[in-house]
This record gives sequence, structure tokens and C-alpha cells, in this order.
Amino acid sequence: GQQLNQSPQSMFIQEGEDVSMNCTSSSIFNTWLWYKQDPGEGPVLLIALYKAGELTSNGRLTAQFGITRKDSFLNISASIPSDVGIYFCAGQLMRGAGNNRKLIWGLGTSLAVNP
Amino acid sequence: DAGVIQSPRHEVTEMGQEVTLRCKPISGHNSLFWYRQTMMRGLELLIYFNNNVPIDDSGMPEDRFSAKMPNASFSTLKIQPSEPRDSAVYFCASSSTGLWGYTFGSGTRLTVV
Repeated sequence: GQQLNQSPQSMFIQEGEDVSMNCTSSSIFNTWLWYKQDPGEGPVLLIALYKAGELTSNGRLTAQFGITRKDSFLNISASIPSDVGIYFCAGQLMRGAGNNRKLIWGLGTSLAVNP
Repeated sequence: DAGVIQSPRHEVTEMGQEVTLRCKPISGHNSLFWYRQTMMRGLELLIYFNNNVPIDDSGMPEDRFSAKMPNASFSTLKIQPSEPRDSAVYFCASSSTGLWGYTFGSGTRLTVV
């Protein structure tokens, strides 16, 4: 199936550092979502983006919906140990809106934080 | 709210056996999704329901997989017969119309030996 290009695949950083990850697609999306998955749990929604150019923050997290509608990034500022986990981007394609609630997913960015 | 509830959390079964995974969505949510997660392929949508009706089952791997949603508060995913390559974590998620953020359950880790 179709997947988003998410990078980097993994990151190992020091506590207090900022983190940036992104997702790109060759297709146009009308919704971008960022999720975090802790070990042994399901993904949890962090931020939802609905408009091109939109910049949204949730605490130390900031995400943007790219102007071209083909990309999005997620930044985490001043990382802490509990930021450890796998971060996923997901989006809904521009076409097939309405009743089609299918999301396209990235393969995830695994984040490790060294205290 | 208890969130999306899945059972069992872990299942180990022998190849050829029937496996049934269960899901209770969040009350009031009208969309339900079954996903499979593996290291190699990430999160794969198997099937989703809207108002208890299957809308898209194109992700169901083969006829050995079937899903039902007899009412708004319960869904099952059945694998019969199971094979070792079915080993994965299976997630159920639910959502309301107008919300793109799904709420996921904690998943069922299935091991077929």
C-alpha cells in the first residue's frame, strides 16, 4: 500500500536538544496528523493539521502543514526522557474525501533521548 | 471514558488454529478501524467500518481474515486458519465523523507458532 516518506528513521539525542522530523509525499493531502507510540501501546494523536501553511503547537511540540500540501514537519523543543517513542505522520489524500476516512501512514521515526 | 478496549492483550496460538480478536470502540464513535503493525510494513489498514457497515476491506490480506461489526459497540477480527506470518500487533481504533484523529486501543500482540 501507499506510504509516506518519513525521515529520519531513527534519532538518538541528548536531553535538552531540539528534534525535527518530516514527512513528504508525491500526492497532495488535505489533512496531516502526527502521532506518538509508546512501547506496548497504540499510537496517540499529538497534533492535527487541516490547512496548508498551518502552524500548530502543543506544548513543546510544533507541527506545520506544508504550503504545497505534500509535506509536514514536527519539531520537539528541549527534549526530555519521556519524549522517547516512535513518532508517526499520517495524512488523508486530497482526492477521495467525504466518506473515505482512510489514512496513509509513514513508517515512523524512533526517538531515543539520553538523560 | 475507558477508551478503545481490545482483548486479549496477548495471544499465542498454534498454526492452523482460529484466532478471534475483539474490540469495543469509544461510545458515540461511528467509525472503527482494524490495523496490523509489523516492523517491516509499519501500520497497515486492514478494514474500516462506518456506522457498522464495512466501507473498505481492501487491506484484508486474504480470505483467512474476516471482520464483523454486529453493533456500534463491538467488532471482531478473525483469522482462520492462522499462519506464522500473521504474527503482528493488531490495533483497533475508533473515530467520530468530522474527526480525523483516531483513538487507538492498546493492541493485541499475536504470535502464531
